[in-house]
Order: sequence, then C-alpha cells, then structure tokens
Amino acid sequence: GNSVTQMEGPVTLSEEAFLTINCTYTATGYPSLFWYVQYPGEGLQLLLKATKADDKGSNKGFEATYRKETTSFHLEKGSVQVSDSAVYFCALDTDSWGKLQFGAGTQVVVTP
Amino acid sequence: DGGITQSPKYLFRKEGQNVTLSCEQNLNHDAMYWYRQDPGQGLRLIYYSQIVNDFQKGDIAEGYSVSREKKESFPLTVTSAQKNPTAFYLCASSIQVSGEKLFFGSGTQLSVL
Repeated sequence: GNSVTQMEGPVTLSEEAFLTINCTYTATGYPSLFWYVQYPGEGLQLLLKATKADDKGSNKGFEATYRKETTSFHLEKGSVQVSDSAVYFCALDTDSWGKLQFGAGTQVVVTP
Repeated sequence: DGGITQSPKYLFRKEGQNVTLSCEQNLNHDAMYWYRQDPGQGLRLIYYSQIVNDFQKGDIAEGYSVSREKKESFPLTVTSAQKNPTAFYLCASSIQVSGEKLFFGSGTQLSVL
C-alpha cells in the first residue's frame, strides 16, 4: 500500500538557519506529492506540490523536488524565520479525488 | 470569501453520547473528507464523499457516521461506539481534478468529559 515516511521532530533551529525535512514515499503508480503546513490550532494549508518526476514545487521560500529514483520529496528553505514555526506534513495521492496519504508530520521550532 | 467552515471549534462529549461535528463549504467542490489527527501522528482518513448521497469508509471509520444530503455539507457524527474520540478533527474538500489540492477547515477539538 501507499505510505509516507517523514523525519521525526521536533526540529529546532535558529532564525536564518537552513531547514531540511526529509520525506520518502512508497506508492504504486505515479503519485502527486504535496507539502502541507499546519500552524497551531489551525487546519492544514497547502505549501507546495509536484505532480511528476523532476518537478520542483516552490512557495514562500520553500522548495521540494520530486525524485522518482529515490522516491523522495524533501522540503528545504534556505533561511527560516520565527514565523515558519509549524508542523509540516508530506503527503501523496494516487487518484484524482484528493484522497491523500499523510506522513506523521514534523514539528519545526524556529528561535530568534 | 470561499472556504470551509467547521463548527464548533471545541466540543465536549459525555460517556454514551453521540455528538455531531459540522462542516460546510461554499467552494462548489464535489469531494469532501473527514480526517482525524492525534498528537504526533499524521492525519487518518475517517470517511470521504465524492458526490451527494454517496460516501465511502476511510481507514478508521468504526464508531463514526456521516451523511451527504447536500453538496455543501458533510457532517460527522461521533457515536458512543467510538471509545477513544478525543482528537482534532479536520474536514477538507477538493475538486475532482487530478493533482488538485485539498482545502481544509480550521478543525474541531473533541474532548471527553
């Protein structure tokens, strides 16, 4: 079956540090891949997505590249801010209805 | 503004009681979903609906029920059969387009008294 594995958190960083959150997946077919972000007490928001191999999704300084050969979709940001403190979820879908398989989430804490 | 509205934001359930969580969307989306989120875990799918008057069980449907009488509404009932209901519940919707994203509501925190 489909599954998503993320690195465990919390990840604690200082402001302006480089952030990487690893995400690998197992899926049949050709999934679309997503990163969602959840701020405290809120629902999830789409951060970025990639729909085919070698696509790079980017938004708000975050980037992730769909690597089919390593079945990975790692999230990166070159210089984090305190406002980036949140829980980040990697997800995939293999049908057109948006029924997503989520990873466990990685909490990121950015300190001033 | 279009979006998904979940209510209430906080809900308390007594032993043996059924409670219903509301989810309304004005995005004209065909598909709607209910997810459960527990601390330190990813989201788990409870039920989903691709069309009015039709819905399917997700991975953890036991102890829950849903209805989809209108396109805009997808209420979730947590029944007394759900022995561990304390969790954060998220409703979402999507268009039936390949690779299209989910839109999420702001969630309901359910706790047991």
